[in-house]
Order: sequence, then structure tokens, then C-alpha cells
Amino acid sequence: NSKVIQTPRYLVKGQGQKAKMRCIPEKGHPVVFWYQQNKNNEFKFLINFQNQEVLQQIDMTEKRFSAECPSNSPCSLEIQSSEAGDSALYLCASRTEYEQYFGPGTRLTVL
Amino acid sequence: GDSVTQKQGQVTLSEDDFLFINCTYSTTTYPTLLWYVQYLGQGPQLLLKVTTANNKGISRGFEATYDKGTTSFHLQKASVQESDSAVYFCALVGQGGRALIFGTGTTVSVSP
Repeated sequence: NSKVIQTPRYLVKGQGQKAKMRCIPEKGHPVVFWYQQNKNNEFKFLINFQNQEVLQQIDMTEKRFSAECPSNSPCSLEIQSSEAGDSALYLCASRTEYEQYFGPGTRLTVL
Repeated sequence: GDSVTQKQGQVTLSEDDFLFINCTYSTTTYPTLLWYVQYLGQGPQLLLKVTTANNKGISRGFEATYDKGTTSFHLQKASVQESDSAVYFCALVGQGGRALIFGTGTTVSVSP
């Protein structure tokens, strides 16, 4: 079973508000991923880190989304100004060689 | 680029029925293929991994195989239980940063 911890489990924000969620990856997993899963079960990769450094991110995350993975602190994903279309399940995963282990997700609802 | 297609959107079964889910993939490298199961209100859980080295994976009564000739991979279980009701995703380990490329999921509903 995965030991990835995500908080909070649920987040409700108004449009234009900041939304921040956190992730503690499994110990010993140096690579951390953030994905967005929409209501149609489609996954979108957002960003990943290796040892605090960004490996890849999509254009969307360069604008309203920001993320960091400081050493000895939880990783975080923040949406600066939430939009209705951001409502989704945000999943954090950490990786060994190939396998990615997911946390339970943060369900964001933007009203 | 890499891609995965999972066409079965919904599968409805009775307990002890046989489950078979199929995905096709496209990649220019040696594929590593994963199966995840997602129960309601939870994140995806890794179920099985299949690579060109092992060709097959078995876990919790599920078996995963892949066919290089048809670039497809399959998940099957001989006798499903109501507790197997969930959404099953196939995923291809992507190149470069290795972000997963997911299929669109198969919702499996098992009635007692």
C-alpha cells in the first residue's frame, strides 16, 4: 500500500482564491509527480521534481500554478487564482524506478 | 508521441465471472506497462507491472500480459468478486521524465 500522504483531502474555494495542497512522498522516493484527474477520469500531468529540482512541467503550471518540493518539508501545489475549471482531484505520486505510488488525492471544488 | 488507448468504458459482471480488459499502446521505446485500480474516494493503487523482460505479472488474483505483436496489454481475472468493483486504468511509463500516460479507465461493476 502507498505511503504517500496528501492534505487536505477536500478543499473548497471561490473563484479567484488561492488553493494550496501538500504532499509527503514515500521515504526514499526521490521523484515526485503531480497529476490532475478530472471528473471524466482523465489524468493530466502537471509537474515533477527530483530532489527539489523541477524535471518537467506543462505550460498550464507555468501560469497560475506553482509547486515546490523543498528538502525536509512537504511538497506543495498552489493555484494562485482558482477557476471553475480547476475543480478536480489532484494526485501526488512518488516513484521508484518505474512504478508510481499515489496518495489519496486532494479534491478541489471551485465554486 | 507515446499513447495509450483503453476502449472499454464500462464492464458489468456477476460474481465469479471472468474479467478481461484490453489496452493498446504506442511507443518508440521498450514499454513498461502498469495497471492501476482506483476505488471510490481513493487514489489509484498500483496493481501490476509488465515489461518486455517479464511479459507477465500476477497479483491478488489478477494477471497482466502484453503482446508486442499487437502492441496491446491485458488485465484479466478468472473469478471476480463484488469487492473488485472499481475503475481500472492501464498506463504506459512515458519517456524522458517518465510521467505516466493513462488510459481513460474501465469501470467494473460486479453484482453479487
